[in-house]
Amino acid sequence: NAGVTQTPKFRVLKTGQSMTLLCAQDMNHEYMYWYRQDPGMGLRLIHYSVGEGTTAKGEVPDGYNVSRLKKQNFLLGLESAAPSQTSVYFCASSYSMQGANEAFFGQGTRLTVV
Amino acid sequence: AQKITQTQPGMFVQEKEAVTLDCTYDTSDPSYGLFWYKQPSSGEMIFLIYQGSYDQQNATEGRYSLNFQKARKSANLVISASQLGDSAMYFCAMREGFNTGNQFYFGTGTSLTVIP
Repeated sequence: NAGVTQTPKFRVLKTGQSMTLLCAQDMNHEYMYWYRQDPGMGLRLIHYSVGEGTTAKGEVPDGYNVSRLKKQNFLLGLESAAPSQTSVYFCASSYSMQGANEAFFGQGTRLTVV
Repeated sequence: AQKITQTQPGMFVQEKEAVTLDCTYDTSDPSYGLFWYKQPSSGEMIFLIYQGSYDQQNATEGRYSLNFQKARKSANLVISASQLGDSAMYFCAMREGFNTGNQFYFGTGTSLTVIP
């Protein structure tokens, strides 16, 4: 029962470095999302995907890129990390927009940019 | 405008008492879903309860119920018989039915502390 798996769980980056966060889901979900969580701000959507090969911008996309080459994977890239990107990142997936199809979340990735 | 508003940053409740966490939403879409998630200190997001905009009855799941007032655009979570393990952050979320992307919009959360 893997569900949604995020890699890595923790990471410290220096300003200007790049990295990729990997999200994998084994539930055959069409929709996948990347959120960031900051104190007092809830979860804000960075990018999302409605299916393999498609991506779209969310509320706070600047400084991030994504790719969905395979249905089960959704990658979040930081090309040049900045201290403002210090956050907890959550990947989520959902099956359908109809009915009680909740979003399933990964465990989160705690990223610190120094 | 905020899609989801949670006006209670922090709440306290005595163990075994009931507590209501407020949530209001903003949408012009006639079809939408409302969700509540729990985030304990360990950090994972746990789905609690769902209410569809066309559902006639308030949703219930064990000790959780959703007080859905469509005209007021509110979807308050009621936790009955609070337990110490209920201490956590609680997030209200909405998914609009026909917008592109099937995005989930989240509120800023309410931190609930259950007092023994």
